[in-house]
Formats: sequence, structure tokens, C-alpha cells
Amino acid sequence: AQSVTQLDSQVPVFEEAPVELRCNYSSSVSVYLFWYVQYPNQGLQLLLKYLSGSTLVKGINGFEAEFNKSQTSFHLRKPSVHISDTAEYFCAVSAPYSSASKIIFGSGTRLSIRP
Amino acid sequence: ETGVTQTPRHLVMGMTNKKSLKCEQHLGHNAMYWYKQSAKKPLELMFVYSLEERVENNSVPSRFSPECPNSSHLFLHLHTLQPEDSALYLCASSQDSLAGGYNEQFFGPGTRLTVL
Repeated sequence: AQSVTQLDSQVPVFEEAPVELRCNYSSSVSVYLFWYVQYPNQGLQLLLKYLSGSTLVKGINGFEAEFNKSQTSFHLRKPSVHISDTAEYFCAVSAPYSSASKIIFGSGTRLSIRP
Repeated sequence: ETGVTQTPRHLVMGMTNKKSLKCEQHLGHNAMYWYKQSAKKPLELMFVYSLEERVENNSVPSRFSPECPNSSHLFLHLHTLQPEDSALYLCASSQDSLAGGYNEQFFGPGTRLTVL
């Protein structure tokens, strides 16, 4: 079975500053990893995903994440945030040959941007 | 319409009312989901339908009753709810397969439910 931990429930950042949202996972098999974003009053949408290959994954809106197998981490980064990045961010994990319903979501990190 | 749509967006109901939430996906997917999102709690998977058959029911109280008449539509029928059922109810869809796991879920905007 897989599990995922988002270490920070809230991250306040100044506008144009860099940000890193942390995600660690646990699994006895290889994994697929996802980051979703939920803007206020909306559903979740996919930011990026890691399936295999290059460990640095680029997503939408200037976000990227790095898969680190030895540290079992998949941290999300952006070099310079904007007010519009204010949202809740969810890390998620699934396994190959599993149903899409077996995706496990983290508890979320609320990113708040200060002007 | 594109993506996953949900109606209504907001719903206020009394504990004795009966109401239904509707979800429609326009993506040609074969699996649909209901999630409950409460403040300060992780996302809770409630029901999963794959090829119109319910494949997962995560110990959800019987006052919640799902219905999937075809692969594009999903309903959540509500009756005699409790105030603690107030939450954002999210519908999602995906293309499911035996070798899956790599396919992401696509979410609707949710229905904000308040039970008085």
C-alpha cells in the first residue's frame, strides 16, 4: 500500500519569492506521483505528474517537481510566486497496474501569497 | 460543456429533506468518483464506479446513495442528512484500465452542501 505525507499544512510566502511545498511518500513498489492544485471555489486540477524517466518534471503555471527515490520525496517548487498562485496544493501517489481509484491524496498545503 | 460539471453548485437542506447532486463528464471516461472534502480533513473517497458498476464503497452511511445510469452521469442521492455532512462534494472521472494508475482524475467544481 502507498501513503503520502505533506509536511506543511500552510505556507505563507511573499509575492515574487520562491516557494517549495514538501511531499514525502511511502511505498513498497514503484510509484506514480502527482501534484494537484485547488483554487478557491473550484475542484482539483492536475499541475504535473511523474510516471518515469527524468526526475525533474515541469508542469503548468511555472511549477516543477523533482522525484527523489532515495529520499522518497516529490517536492513542488516555483522560483517566483504570484498572487494568483494562492490555492491549496495536494500531492498524490498511485502504483502501476492499479486502478485509477487507488490514487492516495495527501492532506493538502495551503499556499498564501503576501503582497 | 467541457470537462466535468456538477449541479447545483450550492445546496442548503434541512435534515428531513431529500435532494440529489448531479455530475456529468464530457471526457469519454469510463470511471467516476464521489469525494467528500471537509475543512481541515483529507479528501475522502466515497464511491467509485467503473464501467457503470460500483466497485468501491468506503463505509459511507446509507443516507448517501449513489447512482450511475451511464458512463457520463453520476448522482448522489441524499436523505436525512446530519449537520456533520456539510462539506464540499467533488465528482471526478478518469480513464481506468488494468494497467492504470498513471491516469489522473479530472474533477468538477464541487457542490457546497450545508445541512441545517
